[in-house]
Amino acid sequence: GQNIDQPTEMTATEGAIVQINCTYQTSGFNGLFWYQQHAGEAPTFLSYNVLDGLEEKGRFSSFLSRSKGYSYLLLKELQMKDSASYLCAGRRDNYGQNFVFGPGTRLSVLP
Amino acid sequence: GAGVSQSPSNKVTEKGKDVELRCDPISGHTALYWYRQSLGQGLEFLIYFQGNSAPDKSGLPSDRFSAERTGGSVSTLTIQRTQQEDSAVYLCASSLGPGRGGVNEQYFGPGTRLTVT
Repeated sequence: GQNIDQPTEMTATEGAIVQINCTYQTSGFNGLFWYQQHAGEAPTFLSYNVLDGLEEKGRFSSFLSRSKGYSYLLLKELQMKDSASYLCAGRRDNYGQNFVFGPGTRLSVLP
Repeated sequence: GAGVSQSPSNKVTEKGKDVELRCDPISGHTALYWYRQSLGQGLEFLIYFQGNSAPDKSGLPSDRFSAERTGGSVSTLTIQRTQQEDSAVYLCASSLGPGRGGVNEQYFGPGTRLTVT
């Protein structure tokens, strides 16, 4: 299958930097997406990578290495409101472009 | 503009009954996805519609589950003879679809929380 793996839970301190990793099978995907999901709410799009390298969007950055099947989401200057689950999703490498989601990483930001 | 809407927001049903869940995607979005999310878990893919192509039903867990999309817009997910293990939040998402340029990210609806008693 096309597995996507993420750590289940992470804890960080307000104002700090945290990196959430995502690993996946190298074949079958042509893009990596990150979504944020607050408890009881729907996921919202954060960032995506198609090519290798770092994409920066304000306090959030995402990195992709296609050869290693590895991505990470970097959150800087953590705020309490960043406490949420972060979902890594691979876009399948076919015309239909369906998505496979990882299990999500629950991030708790402590004061 | 309006986002993805789903109805009902909550549904409680008895085991063995049939349920219908509705999704209204963003206007102009050709791609529509259904996911299931159990408490504290990730998203489980159910079915994907893209334009007029045959849907990708590979994620449907059993033949009790079916979905249709009428006129390329509204979609209905039907669960027949519901079981307790069907209890979950059912999320619908839409996107512009492939070949339209851009990121093609998904926009999610608020979900329908289904409880089977």
